[in-house]
Amino acid sequence: GEDVEQSLFLSVREGDSSVINCTYTDSSSTYLYWYKQEPGAGLQLLTYIFSNMDMKQDQRLTVLLNKKDKHLSLRIADTQTGDSAIYFCAEATSNTGKLIFGQGTTLQVKP
Amino acid sequence: IAGITQAPTSQILAAGRRMTLRCTQDMRHNAMYWYRQDLGLGLRLIHYSNTAGTTGKGEVPDGYSVSRANTDDFPLTLASAVPSQTSVYFCASGTEQTQYFGPGTRLLVL
Repeated sequence: GEDVEQSLFLSVREGDSSVINCTYTDSSSTYLYWYKQEPGAGLQLLTYIFSNMDMKQDQRLTVLLNKKDKHLSLRIADTQTGDSAIYFCAEATSNTGKLIFGQGTTLQVKP
Repeated sequence: IAGITQAPTSQILAAGRRMTLRCTQDMRHNAMYWYRQDLGLGLRLIHYSNTAGTTGKGEVPDGYSVSRANTDDFPLTLASAVPSQTSVYFCASGTEQTQYFGPGTRLLVL
């Protein structure tokens, strides 16, 4: 079945770049997503990429997709303390719109 | 109302009791979803609805039921709550490309 894997924890210093990685198994995924969850809050859609794209940039966020290796990454430039949160990778299963989520990566930003 | 609302925000429930979690969206999305979030497991899909009048089972549907009488509302019912249903429940609605999430309901079943 479909599966999405993420590393559980990442710690960076304020001002550095953060790179959060994700692997998935469904080769027929249509869209891949990054969501952010702050403590006690719901999930906020950060960005998404269509499966026929290699890269998408939105201000400090860069998403890279390697479809051959089924690898997705989220790079946050100039990481700030407000970026501390859990980041979820998700894939849309083909033709259903249902999302399969990774376990989430906790990003800790040290001052 | 703006976006997705869920009620209640949190609830403590005795095992065996019936409980309905409410979800309302004002974005006129056809698709709506219920997820549960558990530590170390990410979010798992419970039930979904692609359009009013239709529902489908997700990854973990047992012990839960849903209905979709209209576009805006998608209630989730626990017929007889058990402690393993202690979780944070998120409702979402979306288009073909994106899903938007509500603030969640924290449920503790004792």
